[in-house]
Amino acid sequence: SQQGEEDPQALSIQEGENATMNCSYKTSINNLQWYRQNSGRGLVHLILIRSNEREKHSGRLRVTLDTSKKSSSLLITASRAADTASYFCATDPGSRLTFGEGTQLTVNP
Amino acid sequence: GAGVSQSPSNKVTEKGKDVELRCDPISGHTALYWYRQSLGQGLEFLIYFQGNSAPDKSGLPSDRFSAERTGGSVSTLTIQRTQQEDSAVYLCASSLDRQGASTFGSGTRLTVV
Repeated sequence: SQQGEEDPQALSIQEGENATMNCSYKTSINNLQWYRQNSGRGLVHLILIRSNEREKHSGRLRVTLDTSKKSSSLLITASRAADTASYFCATDPGSRLTFGEGTQLTVNP
Repeated sequence: GAGVSQSPSNKVTEKGKDVELRCDPISGHTALYWYRQSLGQGLEFLIYFQGNSAPDKSGLPSDRFSAERTGGSVSTLTIQRTQQEDSAVYLCASSLDRQGASTFGSGTRLTVV
């Protein structure tokens, strides 16, 4: 099974609302990363949080990491239609970067 | 170049033919990954190169798949005797080191007919 698993699988919200996506993983990690993918092609790196960090911000993005629960969340505030994409978490357990199945976010105008 | 370049962007091949997919990583990036993604699915890890270390080939689905990375730079993923189930988008990514953020190419969409 995947090292990282996102939840929910799909999320539909209205423009201006906040979107929260969660990621759970199984083994201890060095860091956790979030990526966005549009149109099923290349992924774009959003944010990296290290195992000794608990929260990180980048613009409208806020990522939290709870290593005791082996989980992370990605919050997108004041969502826009352009945020519509698939979002993946990726973990680095010390060997290679491993991705979850992703959350499909749809932001309706 | 400034990003990760993959070629071709699209490839249609007949079942049973061999294909080669190319990835030009960002200069100086020591880590290089190949992933496969079927429609609407997550990323399936295929192979990982890190510097001069032996590659992690644990994700290759069969012995029809192989990859090499020459001179620590360009990588080629080869699929021999392609099957219809090989149809997918093949994504390459590189990072400065194993623990850094990865930059992805736009992928090669492979269709086996």
